[in-house]
Amino acid sequence: GAGVSQTPSNKVTEKGKYVELRCDPISGHTALYWYRQSLGQGPEFLIYFQGTGAADDSGLPNDRFFAVRPEGSVSTLKIQRTERGDSAVYLCASSSQRSETQYFGPGTRLLVL
Amino acid sequence: SQQGEEDPQALSIQEGENATMNCSYKTSINNLQWYRQNSGRGLVHLILIRSNEREKHSGRLRVTLDTSKKSSSLLITASRAADTASYFCAMGGTSYGKLTFGQGTILTVHP
Repeated sequence: GAGVSQTPSNKVTEKGKYVELRCDPISGHTALYWYRQSLGQGPEFLIYFQGTGAADDSGLPNDRFFAVRPEGSVSTLKIQRTERGDSAVYLCASSSQRSETQYFGPGTRLLVL
Repeated sequence: SQQGEEDPQALSIQEGENATMNCSYKTSINNLQWYRQNSGRGLVHLILIRSNEREKHSGRLRVTLDTSKKSSSLLITASRAADTASYFCAMGGTSYGKLTFGQGTILTVHP
């Protein structure tokens, strides 16, 4: 029923810690996307799922970043050994098979101290 | 890296005036979409135009696409204070898949 939801809305962590960000897409949407947005910039693509599989992970910056979507619905973005440069708003979007339009969630603001 | 460039970076107008934002891109596209963002959080989809289309309308929005010049423009007519936001163009290289965003135009509409 509702739109894309993301939790938590804000996350503060310390350098070196592990974080998980969750995305719950619109029900029935088979495609799910993760983007990262730094202050004053447009969103940058990270990874795209079609169903359970990652169809395109070319935007993941390095191997500290990993995402899963085990049942083809909820997705989790995992960041290991966080760095201060990982601080950004992480946006999730989903789309249906019938449209190229991506519907975005409110984002998770990550701050690494 | 970001494929799209938007112009102007910031635009300040009075209520009732029209606002025009431009977007240029570098590689071929399947579609181009415009989004609005308030307060740096979630993006709201405004309109999508496909590479074989030249112009599209939705309410007070008019989008044009010139694939020969690799450029698009978004026109908001009769602007309102509530239109104050950041506007982004986003290029889709294929029918589905990632979008590549421009850096955005910050629009301020003064009441």
